[in-house]
Amino acid sequence: NAGVTQTPKFQVLKTGQSMTLQCAQDMNHNSMYWYRQDPGMGLRLIYYSASEGTTDKGEVPNGYNVSRLNKREFSLRLESAAPSQTSVYFCASSGWSPGANVLTFGAGSRLTVL
Amino acid sequence: DAKTTQPTSMDCAEGRAANLPCNHSTISGNEYVYWYRQIHSQGPQYIIHGLKNNETNEMASLIITEDRKSSTLILPHATLRDTAVYYCIVSDNAGNNRKLIWGLGTSLAVNP
Repeated sequence: NAGVTQTPKFQVLKTGQSMTLQCAQDMNHNSMYWYRQDPGMGLRLIYYSASEGTTDKGEVPNGYNVSRLNKREFSLRLESAAPSQTSVYFCASSGWSPGANVLTFGAGSRLTVL
Repeated sequence: DAKTTQPTSMDCAEGRAANLPCNHSTISGNEYVYWYRQIHSQGPQYIIHGLKNNETNEMASLIITEDRKSSTLILPHATLRDTAVYYCIVSDNAGNNRKLIWGLGTSLAVNP
């Protein structure tokens, strides 16, 4: 029972390089999310996907793109990395059930942009 | 979704109960209180949630005041592994978490 799996766990990029963070969930959840977490700040939503085939911007979408490849997979792409994108990134998923809307998070991806 | 207020940090002795408060004075009638915790930069982990009544599961108990403006998460016998940041979140359970407000939570240190 893997839950939410993120890859890679660690990545170092140079300014201007591109990369894609991968996320997959095996819980048959409809909704998936990408958050970033910076020191001294709460989790901030970058993009979310309410269901397969749909994506929408969250609080801090600039500099990022996403793809909901299928129901299981939701990727986050940095086209031209900047030092301000140094952060820990978390993917999460949630599935609706009456009286509960629980988020399940991945282990995180720590990205450093030099 | 409503915003919550939590103390920045708390200490607790191992084996004692840890009582973590949360204020959510602007909570709406259809909003639930959720608690998550984050251990040492891992992904946040769901603990418990409730609407009006007190709730208990294998991890913790949740006490919600009658006016629903505040709640307390209780870890009955805290262990060193409970050292974490605890987040109190309010959600309307509409099926989409895009409006959740994640503050800085309470950093709980369980001491031997």
